[in-house]
Amino acid sequence: QKEVEQNSGPLSVPEGAIASLNCTYSDRGSQSFFWYRQYSGKSPELIMSIYSNGDKEDGRFTAQLNKASQYVSLLIRDSQPSDSATYLCAVSSNDYKLSFGAGTTVTVRA
Amino acid sequence: GAGVSQSPSNKVTEKGKDVELRCDPISGHTALYWYRQRLGQGLEFLIYFQGNSAPDKSGLPSDRFSAERTGESVSTLTIQRTQQEDSAVYLCASSYTTGGSPLHFGNGTRLTVT
Repeated sequence: QKEVEQNSGPLSVPEGAIASLNCTYSDRGSQSFFWYRQYSGKSPELIMSIYSNGDKEDGRFTAQLNKASQYVSLLIRDSQPSDSATYLCAVSSNDYKLSFGAGTTVTVRA
Repeated sequence: GAGVSQSPSNKVTEKGKDVELRCDPISGHTALYWYRQRLGQGLEFLIYFQGNSAPDKSGLPSDRFSAERTGESVSTLTIQRTQQEDSAVYLCASSYTTGGSPLHFGNGTRLTVT
């Protein structure tokens, strides 16, 4: 079983719609959770971090964490063509080592 | 402040040659990771340094790959006797060791083995 799994995608959404990205993890002791965005040919950049159960909003992005279900999600509201990228879920275990999912590619159709 | 710096940004080498890739982490970051990313693929973990602890080398794909880091400073990733399948972007990232610290990535080294 992979440590961090993401819905495989690709995910195509029309401009203005909500893009929903899901991630599950295997280590129940995980404490820190991150979403990175990676544009084609570029390095990953951090867009959200979440540490407690519930929702965390930052602009058009909302991260949701449910530790009991070992599930973290990212919602992108009012999707824009500039949101087209690969989104990586990352989870930090007790020894602080970060594990990444394989990523979900999102395409926003104008 | 300065981010994670990697050099060279591009490297073209002939099959069978050795290459050395360099990563200069953000000052004060005790954790340092190397990843490999083949075209159109996800991040492949290679090695993890955390302070002065023994590195986690579990991701190194073969004994042709090695990495060093002295203290909390520069790290080098060495690939010996390069093969065409080693062609990829090699990404370095660093963070504080304390829980909850996100990774900051360098711009990567694009390695092409001909």
